[in-house]
Amino acid sequence: AQSVTQLGSHVSVSEGALVLLRCNYSSSVPPYLFWYVQYPNQGLQLLLKYTTGATLVKGINGFEAEFKKSETSFHLTKPSAHMSDAAEYFCAVSVTGGGNKLTFGTGTQLKVEL
Amino acid sequence: SQTIHQWPATLVQPVGSPLSLECTVEGTSNPNLYWYRQAAGRGLQLLFYSVGIGQISSEVPQNLSASRPQDRQFILSSKKLLLSDSGFYLCAWSVVWLIGGRWEGDSTDTQYFGPGTRLTVL
Repeated sequence: AQSVTQLGSHVSVSEGALVLLRCNYSSSVPPYLFWYVQYPNQGLQLLLKYTTGATLVKGINGFEAEFKKSETSFHLTKPSAHMSDAAEYFCAVSVTGGGNKLTFGTGTQLKVEL
Repeated sequence: SQTIHQWPATLVQPVGSPLSLECTVEGTSNPNLYWYRQAAGRGLQLLFYSVGIGQISSEVPQNLSASRPQDRQFILSSKKLLLSDSGFYLCAWSVVWLIGGRWEGDSTDTQYFGPGTRLTVL
């Protein structure tokens, strides 16, 4: 079965600093990986996803993630944090075989400080 | 364009009372539909998913149930709420494709989430 581990439930960065949110996955088959963002009391919004092809994936709001098979990782980065990036971020892996189910990590709360 | 609606937005219910949360999708046909629960500090847990009318799969044993009476309507219910049912409930949908006469989900397809319902059981 697939699983996702997000390292660090809370991450704090200064405005303008690099954002790095870590995600490691476990899968016996080639995974499909997703990053979602959730603002307070809202649903989840897709940031980016990796299916096949180029391992560096660019998403919305200046975020990108790199699929590294050898490290079983899919870390999310952004070169320069903005106050509006403060939110909770979820990494997810798609479960193959019917229903297109997602398994989510426990989330990382990003705080951006002045 | 497709939109997904959930209501109510917030709900406060006493222990032992019934529950009915509704989710509807517009602008697509025969979507996969999902119910998730998000409890504080525990991420998202898939509760139910549906690939068609009347077809419901349960992911975890609990006192909740789901129904899909229409193609684009997904309902989450309970006969008697527990304190542990408190949380943020999210509905989501994804596209399915007609392949060889069968509706097939694609694991690469994005799930689109509704705005959620905040349920507090007292």
